[in-house]
Amino acid sequence: GAVVSQHPSRVICKSGTSVKIECRSLDFQATTMFWYRQFPKQSLMLMATSNEGSKATYEQGVEKDKFLINHASLTLSTLTVTSAHPEDSSFYICSARSRDRGSETQYFGPGTRLLVL
Amino acid sequence: QQPVQSPQAVILREGEDAVINCSSSKALYSVHWYRQKHGEAPVFLMILLKGGEQKGHEKISASFNEKKQQSSLYLTASQLSYSGTYFCGINTGGFKTIFGAGTRLFVKA
Repeated sequence: GAVVSQHPSRVICKSGTSVKIECRSLDFQATTMFWYRQFPKQSLMLMATSNEGSKATYEQGVEKDKFLINHASLTLSTLTVTSAHPEDSSFYICSARSRDRGSETQYFGPGTRLLVL
Repeated sequence: QQPVQSPQAVILREGEDAVINCSSSKALYSVHWYRQKHGEAPVFLMILLKGGEQKGHEKISASFNEKKQQSSLYLTASQLSYSGTYFCGINTGGFKTIFGAGTRLFVKA
């Protein structure tokens, strides 16, 4: 199956700092990438949808100035959590939809566990 | 709107069967099923694109009832490795996939 990587897998940071998470599609071109957040024992909550070369579309209640998303190429999207606070601690997962492998299937990255102290 | 999954949790002995349901209040274009193990990202199981479609992979299969706006995941002769949380994801038009709250499945030896 298609491979999506995320980096870093875990990050611990101090409150007030910014953290950048990278999401890469390794063997396919991703026209659309999605960013989810998952709190313990809860579902995946969609934060935003990004299409290559255009601005991300954020879900209601997600602050675009706090969660900066850049989809610079067909294989890379980044999520930057700016001025992180403890309540931002969560499991962040990206997924990518392939242009070539069937437009509906989403492939998930392994996730990034963020802990803000 | 988030699809409704049922049951919330199920406990099985190895070899038993289970059904997980996913229903939507809106018309469905597609339904996705994923399994997530603790601490890991979700793993894609299958996608159903057409009403009436049924798909299967080994002992895990799913159906899509477009009219009833629902899908069911069937796990037969469950194995220990089936344990995890199962999510359905629905597409009601557009790019987004919205996930249900999940069904936690425990398979005991």
